[in-house]
Amino acid sequence: DSGVTQTPKHLITATGQRVTLRCSPRSGDLSVYWYQQSLDQGLQFLIQYYNGEERAKGNILERFSAQQFPDLHSELNLSSLELGDSALYFCASSVGREGLGDTQYFGPGTRLTVL
Amino acid sequence: AQSVTQLDSQVPVFEEAPVELRCNYSSSVSVYLFWYVQYPNQGLQLLLKYLSGSTLVKGINGFEAEFNKSQTSFHLRKPLVHISDTAEYFCAVTDTGGFKTIFGAGTRLFVKA
Repeated sequence: DSGVTQTPKHLITATGQRVTLRCSPRSGDLSVYWYQQSLDQGLQFLIQYYNGEERAKGNILERFSAQQFPDLHSELNLSSLELGDSALYFCASSVGREGLGDTQYFGPGTRLTVL
Repeated sequence: AQSVTQLDSQVPVFEEAPVELRCNYSSSVSVYLFWYVQYPNQGLQLLLKYLSGSTLVKGINGFEAEFNKSQTSFHLRKPLVHISDTAEYFCAVTDTGGFKTIFGAGTRLFVKA
């Protein structure tokens, strides 16, 4: 158990809909990262937040957005969903602001299925 | 631009044999290098990382990797594998500013009895 929690574990929705994925980092970690894992595109880094502010941005679509709240939990919002958005979405957390060089601890993921 | 190539998509090996999983990268800037393991239905777990210093990096579960700058490689090795090492392994590269990371496509290690 990494100490990172993600909810929900599974999500099934329809094209065009909007969903919110939630992540709680390990106690004491200030950075949160979001990743997408799909059969087509493999593992991709989406975005990183450090202490409430966006720090690094990867291949995140404009239809997707994220934020980190004062209690350090984070939410990833996916809107206008398409079939190709079906994937496993991972959250990770780390202690500091070294960014992607930090040791990251991954949550178990949210499996999103878009029908 | 950065890219990561994991040269083998699948590696079958017998238990207690040695294994090497190969990773080559290209980058126009200095990088950090990582190996992660993903067991079925789980998230990723960091095995080891190279940030600087000694080019031989030791990680968890008996794994080690060697950073070879001239060959732009970061191959993962274990002298004796066990059935429990069956998993998918990912190599990743991050720029030293920590702003961008790229993963390889993964290598599925299958350890046979």
